[in-house]
Amino acid sequence: AQSVTQLDSHVSVSEGTPVLLRCNYSSSYSPSLFWYVQHPNKGLQLLLKYTSAATLVKGINGFEAEFKKSETSFHLTKPSAHMSDAAEYFCVVSELLMDTGRRALTFGSGTRLQVQP
Amino acid sequence: DTAVSQTPKYLVTQMGNDKSIKCEQNLGHDTMYWYKQDSKKFLKIMFSYNNKELIINETVPNRFSPKSPDKAHLNLHINSLELGDSAVYFCASSPQHSTNEKLFFGSGTQLSVL
Repeated sequence: AQSVTQLDSHVSVSEGTPVLLRCNYSSSYSPSLFWYVQHPNKGLQLLLKYTSAATLVKGINGFEAEFKKSETSFHLTKPSAHMSDAAEYFCVVSELLMDTGRRALTFGSGTRLQVQP
Repeated sequence: DTAVSQTPKYLVTQMGNDKSIKCEQNLGHDTMYWYKQDSKKFLKIMFSYNNKELIINETVPNRFSPKSPDKAHLNLHINSLELGDSAVYFCASSPQHSTNEKLFFGSGTQLSVL
């Protein structure tokens, strides 16, 4: 069974400082991992995804994430926060279910990022 | 043009009523989904559907039913609404029936059951 843990429900940074949103996962098999962002009153938007290629994945808006199998982590980072980055961020794991042959998506509980001026 | 659109954006209704939320995608995708986001922002899949297969999250009450008149539409019908159904419901689509594909989300429908 797979699971996703976002270690912080709320992160607050100052504009121009680095962002770190933490995500740990558990998965029986090689997972695919995603980060989605949700701005207020909007649907979710894909930031980036990891599907067993390069472990360092670059996404939109300057975000990137590194897949670390030994640590079962997929933390999201950005060198310099912008006010427009304030939103809810979801870490998502996709795993192939061997009994059904289907893939299952599991969402983390979300991390709210606040950016202070 | 909006890729995935859902209506209404807000829905306020009383317990016991039956309501529907409509979803349309103009991306030509094969698969559509319904997600429920509760007050704690936790997102849970309710259904995934393509023209061959409906997959239901077994925790979803059978008061909820997806209806797909064609490939571009997946509407959500809810019978006998309960207070606990209050949430934001998101429609989404993807090119294939594979969760390795990027999901395209609608902007959500906030349902309030009084």
